[in-house]
Amino acid sequence: NAGVTQTPKFRVLKTGQSMTLLCAQDMNHEYMYWYRQDPGMGLRLIHYSVGEGTTAKGEVPDGYNVSRLKKQNFLLGLESAAPSQTSVYFCASSGSSMGLGGYTFGSGTRLTVV
Amino acid sequence: RKEVEQDPGPFNVPEGATVAFNCTYSNSASQSFFWYRQDCRKEPKLLMSVYSSGNEDGRFTAQLNRASQYISLLIRDSKLSDSATYLCVVNPNFGNEKLTFGTGTRLTIIP
Repeated sequence: NAGVTQTPKFRVLKTGQSMTLLCAQDMNHEYMYWYRQDPGMGLRLIHYSVGEGTTAKGEVPDGYNVSRLKKQNFLLGLESAAPSQTSVYFCASSGSSMGLGGYTFGSGTRLTVV
Repeated sequence: RKEVEQDPGPFNVPEGATVAFNCTYSNSASQSFFWYRQDCRKEPKLLMSVYSSGNEDGRFTAQLNRASQYISLLIRDSKLSDSATYLCVVNPNFGNEKLTFGTGTRLTIIP
């Protein structure tokens, strides 16, 4: 019962490099989300999707892009990494809108940009 | 004023004691409320939703006070395994997917 799987778990990037974070869920959830968590700050929503083929901006979308080509996968891209993007990234999915029923989070990706 | 505010703690509480913490929210139109727990270097996990009438799940009780705009979490007979950071989560607008997470209250249960 995998739930939500994030890859990779750790990554170090140089400034200006690009990368893609993959989130995969096996619960047939419609709603998927990407959050970042920084010390002293709550989780902040980057982008989200309410179904296959849809994406929408969250609270802090600048510098990130996303795609939801398949229902089970939600990809987060960093086109040109900056040190300010050093963070822990969490993907979450939900079977209900507005957080009702709760989110299932992945175990996170720790990204350092040097 | 922050949308969601929590006392960061830490709360250091002896095993078996009762502990309670609150979370205040700024938007009076907020519709739904949750408590999540997050262990060190792990992902958040839903602890419980908070209903208008209050709700209980074993040793955990959650309350909502709309008049004063806060939610509370009470933990009775605390266990060592309750040590974690407790995140208050609020949906500020109906129909909105953008939940607001508090920064969390850190709880340590002392043997």
